[in-house]
Order: sequence, then C-alpha cells, then structure tokens
Amino acid sequence: GDSVTQMEGPVTLSEEAFLTINCTYTATGYPSLFWYVQYPGEGLQLLLKATKADDKGSNKGFEATYRKETTSFHLEKGSVQVSDSAVYFCALIHQAGTALIFGKGTTLSVSS
Amino acid sequence: KAGVTQTPRYLIKTRGQQVTLSCSPISGHRSVSWYQQTPGQGLQFLFEYFSETQRNKGNFPGRFSGRQFSNSRSEMNVSTLELGDSALYLCASSFTRGGGTEAFFGQGTRLTVV
Repeated sequence: GDSVTQMEGPVTLSEEAFLTINCTYTATGYPSLFWYVQYPGEGLQLLLKATKADDKGSNKGFEATYRKETTSFHLEKGSVQVSDSAVYFCALIHQAGTALIFGKGTTLSVSS
Repeated sequence: KAGVTQTPRYLIKTRGQQVTLSCSPISGHRSVSWYQQTPGQGLQFLFEYFSETQRNKGNFPGRFSGRQFSNSRSEMNVSTLELGDSALYLCASSFTRGGGTEAFFGQGTRLTVV
C-alpha cells in the first residue's frame, strides 16, 4: 500500500542553521505531496505542496521539490529560526483520492 | 475567510460512554475528513464525507461513525469508549481543482478517556 517515510527525529539545530528533513514515498501514479507543520497544542497547518514531478513548493523560506525519479520530497530551509520549532509531517494524496497518508512526523527544535 | 472550526477543544469521558465531535468546514468546501492522532500510531484517516455521503473509510471499528449535514458541517461519534480512543481528533476541510486537492485542518478536539 501507499506510504510515506520521514527521517526520525528529533532534529536539534542552532538558529540560522540549514535544515533538511528527508521524506520518501511509495505510491502508484502521481500523487500530490505536502508538508504540514504542527505547533504545540495546535492542529496541522499546510506549509507547502507540489502536485507534479519537478514542481517546487515554497512558503516562509521552506522549500521542497517533487522528485519522481527518487520518490522524494525533502523539506529544506536555509536559515532556521527559534519560531520554526514544531513537528513537521510529510503527506501524500492521490489525484482522485480523498485520504491523506502521513509520515510519522519529525520534531524540530531550534535553539538561540 | 473563517477556518475550520472544531468543537469542543477538550473532552474528558469515561470508558463505555459515547462522544460526539463537531466540525464546521471552510465556507464552500464540501469535503470533510476526520483523522485520529496518537503518539503511537501517528495520524490515521478515519473517514471522509462529501455532499452528505461517506466516500471513503479508514480501518477503524464500527464504534467510530460520522455524518455530514446539508450545510457541510460534520460530526463524528465514538460509542463505547475505550482507553485507547484517547487522542487528538482532527477534522480537515478540502477542495479539489486543477492543481490538485488541498486540505485545511482545524485545531482538533483532544479526547481523554478515563
């Protein structure tokens, strides 16, 4: 079945460090890919998305590129801030699908 | 535009009781999905409703049920609560267009079963 695999956390960085959170997926066809972020005590916020191969999603300094050949959608940010501390989820949904499939989540902790 | 609204935010129930959670989607969105989030299992899909019809269902026992009203508001019900039902229940409101599907989540209802 379809699945999403994220790197295990927690990821601990100093402010202004470079961030990469790896995400790979297994799915048939051409799913849409997403990154969601969850702050403590909150629901999920859509961070960015990509709907086809080679698309790059970007938002708030975060970027991820849909790589069909490596079935990956790695999240990157050039300079993290303390306020980026949260849990990040990679997810996919099929073109005609109605259910998001999530990775386990990666906790990011940024210290000043 | 108002976001997805879930009520209540917190609930404490006793084993064996039943509970009803409510979700009001973003205006104009006809699809509402429910997810359960637990530390052990992560985020798992419960079911999805579109125009008052259940379109998809995850792998949960029949104690978990839902419905959607004509104004797209949705409720989910859990009967005969078990300790393992303690979780954050998230509702997502979504729409589909040429660029694919986008889902927007509410803040969730934290259910504690004691």
